[in-house]
Amino acid sequence: EPEVTQTPSHQVTQMGQEVILRCVPISNHLYFYWYRQILGQKVEFLVSFYNNEISEKSEIFDDQFSVERPDGSNFTLKIRSTKLEDSAMYFCASSERRAGTGRNQPQHFGDGTRLSIL
Amino acid sequence: AQKITQTQPGMFVQEKEAVTLDCTYDTSDPSYGLFWYKQPSSGEMIFLIYQGSYDQQNATEGRYSLNFQKARKSANLVISASQLGDSAMYFCAMSQSGGSYIPTFGRGTSLIVHP
Repeated sequence: EPEVTQTPSHQVTQMGQEVILRCVPISNHLYFYWYRQILGQKVEFLVSFYNNEISEKSEIFDDQFSVERPDGSNFTLKIRSTKLEDSAMYFCASSERRAGTGRNQPQHFGDGTRLSIL
Repeated sequence: AQKITQTQPGMFVQEKEAVTLDCTYDTSDPSYGLFWYKQPSSGEMIFLIYQGSYDQQNATEGRYSLNFQKARKSANLVISASQLGDSAMYFCAMSQSGGSYIPTFGRGTSLIVHP
């Protein structure tokens, strides 16, 4: 079964540095998402991406963050000037159609990247 | 605004017994979808089951079923014949067809299955 792939599985970075989290969505999916989950807390939406542009973003997704689909397969989340509070699990997800529209249109999640800011 | 509430921070169940994980939601949109995800200790998010607001029947997927009570705005997950591998965090999520379609997640319920 096709799956969403995220790399690296764990990233350790010094505060103030930039990190790029990588995701390969399922190949026929058109909608891509990033979520984060701070340890022990709920999953929080960051941004959705469709047709090579951001379709929706949350308050968390400020100027520190950016997303890109540099080629036909990768979807990246860049975090500039990382802060301690950016430490979290970051999930990439994709869906064939817009999430929630109609039966069986779930988001398929990757295994996550655990980001640790020191 | 949409809101998902999972009132059980932790649940315990004996192996082979059934367990119900509660989820209530609040929305004014008549068209919405409800999802359950499982998150094992390894961290990945695994889709389990989906219920659409207009679906006439409760969703079922193997040992998972969704007890959908629209009037009460509840979408409880029922796991039958619990297995040790069911021990995990379980998240309920909702998306709406109107307005923001981005699924909103509840805080999760930690399920521990005892042998």
